[in-house]
Amino acid sequence: QVQLVESGGGVVQPGRSLRLSCADSGFTFSTYGMHWVRQAPGKGLEWVAVISFDGSNKYYTDSVEGRFTISRDNSKNTVFLQMNSLKAEDTAVYYCAKDGTPTSGSFDPWGQGTLVTVSS
Amino acid sequence: DIVLTQSPATLSLSPGERATLSCRASQSVGTYLAWYQQKPGQAPRLLIYDASNRATGIPARFSGSGSGTDFTLTISSLEPEDFAVYYCQQRSNWPPLTFGGGTKVEIK
Repeated sequence: QVQLVESGGGVVQPGRSLRLSCADSGFTFSTYGMHWVRQAPGKGLEWVAVISFDGSNKYYTDSVEGRFTISRDNSKNTVFLQMNSLKAEDTAVYYCAKDGTPTSGSFDPWGQGTLVTVSS
Repeated sequence: DIVLTQSPATLSLSPGERATLSCRASQSVGTYLAWYQQKPGQAPRLLIYDASNRATGIPARFSGSGSGTDFTLTISSLEPEDFAVYYCQQRSNWPPLTFGGGTKVEIK
């Protein structure tokens, strides 16, 4: 059974970097895609990025393209989100989520989230 | 990008009542629409995928319908644990994957 645990959130100054991690305790991590979804305080959900099962395909929402990088290490059952040039508007709870099977493009399950606060 | 518009923004109902939530897409998404439930301080949970299929472990009081641009999530008889925010999400044409703005179901 998939169980996702995010880490790496915290308070960071604008323009700095942060790296989030999401570890999966299941046994089939290398067979499915993974997403990052974020939620600004008091706001709705926003999809951020996706990576395919083998890391060969990656897609991003426009607002993070060129600043964020999604990657994975299948030997460690972990997906990462490297966030550079952070802005105040990147402040949010960041969730990782497993890509749906066979419903690719849906999210199930989700991790508990990690809060990123970008502030001087 | 496909824009999803949810209505109403807030639904005030009593336990035992029927809830009807709407999601409208800016262009056809076929049946590639999902619904999620989010309770305060918790991560979202998948309820319905592909418009009308309940996810694993979701009670039968939750049902989804619709196709094309108009979708509905119905909760047949509200239980106390159903008061939450509900989001629709499309996977028809992506990236990007997009969500609606959410409907809050609150206790009247």
